[in-house]
Amino acid sequence: DAGVIQSPRHEVTEMGQEVTLRCKPISGHNSLFWYRQTMMRGLELLIYFNNNVPIDDSGMPEDRFSAKMPNASFSTLKIQPSEPRDSAVYFCASTQGLGGFYGYTFGSGTRLTVV
Amino acid sequence: AQTVTQSQPEMSVQEAETVTLSCTYDTSESDYYLFWYKQPPSRQMILVIRQEAYKQQNATENRFSVNFQKAAKSFSLKISDSQLGDAAMYFCAYLWGGSEKLVFGKGTKLTVNP
Repeated sequence: DAGVIQSPRHEVTEMGQEVTLRCKPISGHNSLFWYRQTMMRGLELLIYFNNNVPIDDSGMPEDRFSAKMPNASFSTLKIQPSEPRDSAVYFCASTQGLGGFYGYTFGSGTRLTVV
Repeated sequence: AQTVTQSQPEMSVQEAETVTLSCTYDTSESDYYLFWYKQPPSRQMILVIRQEAYKQQNATENRFSVNFQKAAKSFSLKISDSQLGDAAMYFCAYLWGGSEKLVFGKGTKLTVNP
């Protein structure tokens, strides 16, 4: 298995532009998570899906952030409009079943820089 | 709210020696899981070891083992025979059995000296 695949690996964009981050979970995993990592706040859960349905989006910082999971093999995290404070590494992770019993498998992350 | 504390921002160890990374957590739950993740410079988050709270036996994965003290809410990671490839950020994480939210500590940066 290729693991959790994220794209792009790096993204540099100007303030005000729309940014879309992409994630392909491991086949057979039915829970998908989006995390954000910054020096100040560490790793924060933004949103997670179970069977393609958003379960908890309480970590999404504001309405500029949105996430979708149109099918079991693809998810996007969109920021519109982007701001410099959105600069961070964004991770996607997946797991089988509920409860993270086996731990999450993370992608390599997308480093987003908003200038 | 559950919290995870890693009190050592940085640690260093000599190659082939043993090092222990500390982690404490705060919870009122009895059913939960604990994890250690490794993040090397490549940025990939790699699961190192996991522990179910209901198991008294400490988990072990090759050179990695934990000291799980449930009453003290402590979950330390011991790395034996340290290798240069062990150099990374190490994150302790907590997951309540009834939740999907992994809660991470701030991490400990481990340096391995040759």
